[in-house]
Amino acid sequence: AQTVTQSQPEMSVQEAETVTLSCTYDTSENNYYLFWYKQPPSRQMILVIRQEAYKQQNATENRFSVNFQKAAKSFSLKISDSQLGDTAMYFCAFMIETSGSRLTFGEGTQLTVNP
Amino acid sequence: KAGVTQTPRYLIKTRGQQVTLSCSPISGHRSVSWYQQTPGQGLQFLFEYFSETQRNKGNFPGRFSGRQFSNSRSEMNVSTLELGDSALYLCASSSGTGRTDTQYFGPGTRLTVL
Repeated sequence: AQTVTQSQPEMSVQEAETVTLSCTYDTSENNYYLFWYKQPPSRQMILVIRQEAYKQQNATENRFSVNFQKAAKSFSLKISDSQLGDTAMYFCAFMIETSGSRLTFGEGTQLTVNP
Repeated sequence: KAGVTQTPRYLIKTRGQQVTLSCSPISGHRSVSWYQQTPGQGLQFLFEYFSETQRNKGNFPGRFSGRQFSNSRSEMNVSTLELGDSALYLCASSSGTGRTDTQYFGPGTRLTVL
């Protein structure tokens, strides 16, 4: 069975600073995909970033980047120049190629950006 | 393109009733997946529909069912509601052309069972 673990239930950061959210996963599969989604108070789940396991290069999307360590099964999210609008629950998610569109989510990390 | 839409946004039902939730995917998307989100269990996969066929199913009792129409719109039904069914129900759509397409979520339906 696939599992995703986010060990930080809550984090806070000052506006304009950098913060890193941790995620580890467990799978015996070789072909899989990792995602970070954010869920602001509106409850709308928004895709932040996606990483294919076969790619060695870490994905980046503007202020968001990941540190993907395949051997360690680690997938952390770095948010640079944090903004108040980044306040949200962040979910790490995992999808294996043979499971179709089934996402397995971690427990989430509540990030608060303080002014 | 318009995003994923879900109706209704809020529902209040009583135990024993049944409920139907609706999801309209992004135009051109053929895959719709459903998730249940609760404070205790987190986000859990219910099922996925593609081209009117269920192609993936999570570990939920048979009271939870779904279907997909020819226009890719999907409905989810919960029969004989229990208090524990109170949750945010999210649907997500993807193109369906690749088995690991990125999923885009709707705003959710908040179901409260009294």
